[in-house]
Order: sequence, then structure tokens, then C-alpha cells
Amino acid sequence: GNSVTQMEGPVTLSEEAFLTINCTYTATGYPSLFWYVQYPGEGLQLLLKATKADDKGSNKGFEATYRKETTSFHLEKGSVQVSDSAVYFCALSRGNTPLVFGKGTRLSVIA
Amino acid sequence: GAVVSQHPSWVICKSGTSVKIECRSLDFQATTMFWYRQFPKQSLMLMATSNEGSKATYEQGVEKDKFLINHASLTLSTLTVTSAHPEDSSFYICSARDRGTSIEAFFGQGTRLTVV
Repeated sequence: GNSVTQMEGPVTLSEEAFLTINCTYTATGYPSLFWYVQYPGEGLQLLLKATKADDKGSNKGFEATYRKETTSFHLEKGSVQVSDSAVYFCALSRGNTPLVFGKGTRLSVIA
Repeated sequence: GAVVSQHPSWVICKSGTSVKIECRSLDFQATTMFWYRQFPKQSLMLMATSNEGSKATYEQGVEKDKFLINHASLTLSTLTVTSAHPEDSSFYICSARDRGTSIEAFFGQGTRLTVV
């Protein structure tokens, strides 16, 4: 079946550091890939998405590229801020099926 | 982006009572809505898929008689936790797909349920 594996957290970085959160997936066919962010006590917000191989999703300085050859969708940001502290979820979907989530990675950015 | 409103954002109820949580898509029509449960510091667990005008599809292990889902219109789905017990305390989140795009899902802000 479809599954998503993302790096275990928590990840603690200093402000302005480079961020990478790894995400790999297993799926039949060509899924759509997503990164969602959850701030404390809130629901999930879509951060970025990619729907086909080699697509790059980007938003708020975050980027992720859909790599079919490595079945990966790693999240990166060149310079993190304290306000980026949250839990990040990698997810995939195929057609109209429910999203399949990774376990989430908690990011803490310290000033 | 599209907005999904979930209400209430938090609720405290006594054991044995029932609690209804609403999930509304404000600016789009959602033929499909999803209900998740999230335990502290864990990922989202899909409870059920709610389709407008038909019965919800529950995931294995989720009691359909305890977690009643109704999707009466293209903009509203409700989850009712019946005869709530302390172990039902959790964070419940809904999401909805725009019937036009059906690719990404938009999430409500979640409901913190505490059963005392």
C-alpha cells in the first residue's frame, strides 16, 4: 500500500540555519505529494505541493522537489526563523483517496 | 486558499454526554470530507471518510455507532461523539477536498475535546 516515511524529530536549529527534513514515499503510479505544517494547538495548513515528477513546490521560503527516481520529496529552507517552529507532515494522495501522512517532524528554532 | 471552519475549537463535556463537532467549507463545495484524530505528539489517524449524501466509510477499528458522521450538504459535515468517555479525549481535525480540484485537502483548525 501507499506509505510515507519522514525523518524522526525533534529537530532543533539556530535561527538562520539551513533546514532539511527528509521524506520518502511508497506508492503505486504517480501520487501527488504535499507538505503540511501544524502550529501548536492548530489544524494543518498546506505548505506546498507537487503533482508530478520534477515539479518543485515552494512557499514562504520552503521548497521541495518531487523526485521519482529516489521516491523522495525532501523539504528545505535556506534560513529558518523562530516563527517556523512547528510540526511538519509529509503526505501523499492518489486520486480522491484520503491523504496518507508521515509521522511528522517537530522543528524547534531557537534565537 | 480555500477555508475550512471547524467548530467548536475546544469543548469540555461530562462522561456519558454527546458532543457534536461541525466542519464547514466556507468558499468551496466539498463532496468528500475526512475526519482525523490526533493524539499528543503523534500523527493524524484517519477515522472516516464522509461523502455528501451517503454513509460515511469508517476505518478499521473505529466504532461507527460511537462516532456518528453526517454529511448532509456540500459544505457541512458533522462528527458526533456519543456517550463520551475520558479515553475519547483527543484533538479531532476535519479536512475537505474541493470538488473542482480534488487534489489537495484543506484542514479545519481542529477541536480539542476533553471528557471529564
